[in-house]
Amino acid sequence: GAVVSQHPSRVICKSGTSVKIECRSLDFQATTMFWYRQFPKQSLMLMATSNEGSKATYEQGVEKDKFLINHASLTLSTLTVTSAHPEDSSFYICSAHLRGTEAFFGQGTRLTVV
Amino acid sequence: DQQVKQNSPSLSVQEGRISILNCDYTNSMFDYFLWYKKYPAEGPTFLISISSIKDKNEDGRFTVFLNKSAKHLSLHIVPSQPGDSAVYFCAANDNDMRFGAGTRLTVKP
Repeated sequence: GAVVSQHPSRVICKSGTSVKIECRSLDFQATTMFWYRQFPKQSLMLMATSNEGSKATYEQGVEKDKFLINHASLTLSTLTVTSAHPEDSSFYICSAHLRGTEAFFGQGTRLTVV
Repeated sequence: DQQVKQNSPSLSVQEGRISILNCDYTNSMFDYFLWYKKYPAEGPTFLISISSIKDKNEDGRFTVFLNKSAKHLSLHIVPSQPGDSAVYFCAANDNDMRFGAGTRLTVKP
C-alpha cells in the first residue's frame, strides 16, 4: 500500500523555538493532506486541510500564525509550530489522500516543549 | 512495524444486515481504542471509542467490542445503511496513536 512518511517521530524543543514537521507521500501524489493533533486519551482533532499550491484551510480555533502549513509539492507538506510553548506539546499526525479517496496516515510526531 | 492491523481491505454487506469490521493489535500497552470513518476526499471523523477497562461500548447502531486476551477489537454496525459506505480505520493509543490500514465498507441497497 501507499506510504506516508512523517518526520521526526519525536522532538523535544525549548520554549520559544520553532519546530518543523514534515509529511511526505513516498509513492503517490497527494493533492490533499490533513494535519491533526491528539491529546492523551482523546480522538484526533483536525487542525487544517492542506491543498497543494494553495493556502491551508484551518479549523476554527486553530491559530494559523502559530501553526504554519506549507504544501509546496504533491509529495510534501510541512507543519511548523512557531514560538512553541509547553501547551503545544502533543502528538501531531498527518494524513495524505490518494485521488481523493484513500487516506494514508503518517507515523505521527510526539512534540515535547520544555 | 504494524502494531495495528486491519486484515480485510474491503467488506460488502446488504442494507439492513450487520457489518462487522475487525482489527488486531500487537502492543499490550495500548489502553484506548478508536474507530474512525472516512468518506472520499474528506479527513477521517471520529466514530466510537473504548477504553481497555471495558469490553463493549455502544452508541446507537455502532458497537465496539474489545477482547484484550486476543488483542482484537471489532466494530459492529446494525442495521447497515448505504450511508455507512466509507473507509473505516481502527486506532490504538498509548502515548501515541497507531492506525490500521483501513477497511472499505460498501453497503448495498
